[in-house]
Amino acid sequence: AQTVTQSQPEMSVQEAETVTLSCTYDTSESDYYLFWYKQPPSRQMILVIRQEAYKQQNATENRFSVNFQKAAKSFSLKISDSQLGDAAMYFCAYRIAGAGSYQLTFGKGTKLSVIP
Amino acid sequence: DVKVTQSSRYLVKRTGEKVFLECVQDMDHENMFWYRQDPGLGLRLIYFSYDVKMKEKGDIPEGYSVSREKKERFSLILESASTNQTSMYLCASSFWDSMNTEAFFGQGTRLTVV
Repeated sequence: AQTVTQSQPEMSVQEAETVTLSCTYDTSESDYYLFWYKQPPSRQMILVIRQEAYKQQNATENRFSVNFQKAAKSFSLKISDSQLGDAAMYFCAYRIAGAGSYQLTFGKGTKLSVIP
Repeated sequence: DVKVTQSSRYLVKRTGEKVFLECVQDMDHENMFWYRQDPGLGLRLIYFSYDVKMKEKGDIPEGYSVSREKKERFSLILESASTNQTSMYLCASSFWDSMNTEAFFGQGTRLTVV
């Protein structure tokens, strides 16, 4: 079974600074997707960024970027120029690619606080 | 925009009651999911469905059942609610192919069983 591990239950960052959230995963598959989801206090989960395992280039979405290390099975999220609105729970998630692979597996989450 | 709507934000039920949590999506997605979210445990998959009347057990199906009679609606059923089922329940839907990889979530239902 695939597992996703987030080793940092809580983190904090000063506004305008940079923070990195860690995620590791365990799989024997070669083709899969990795995601970071954000859950603000209002609870609606939204996608922050995704990475296809076959792509070597790290994904970037504005202030959010990932460091994808396939051999190490590591997928960290970097938030640059942190803003108060970035305060939320962040979940790392994994899904096998291909037909019949429907399950999305989540880590336990990291609670990010942003200090003004 | 994709919309996933859960019928209730908050529910309080008594032990032993039969509880229905409803989820509706408006984007014709094949896949729908029910997750349970608990502090320190993250999101755990209860059941998912990849087509009408089709369902698969997730990681923690015990004490739950599901129903999907129409493509847009996926119901989670607690046959006899127990206090250990007090939790946040999240519904999600998706259509997955090489171009569509995102799952969309509802706002969640906070269920308290007393």
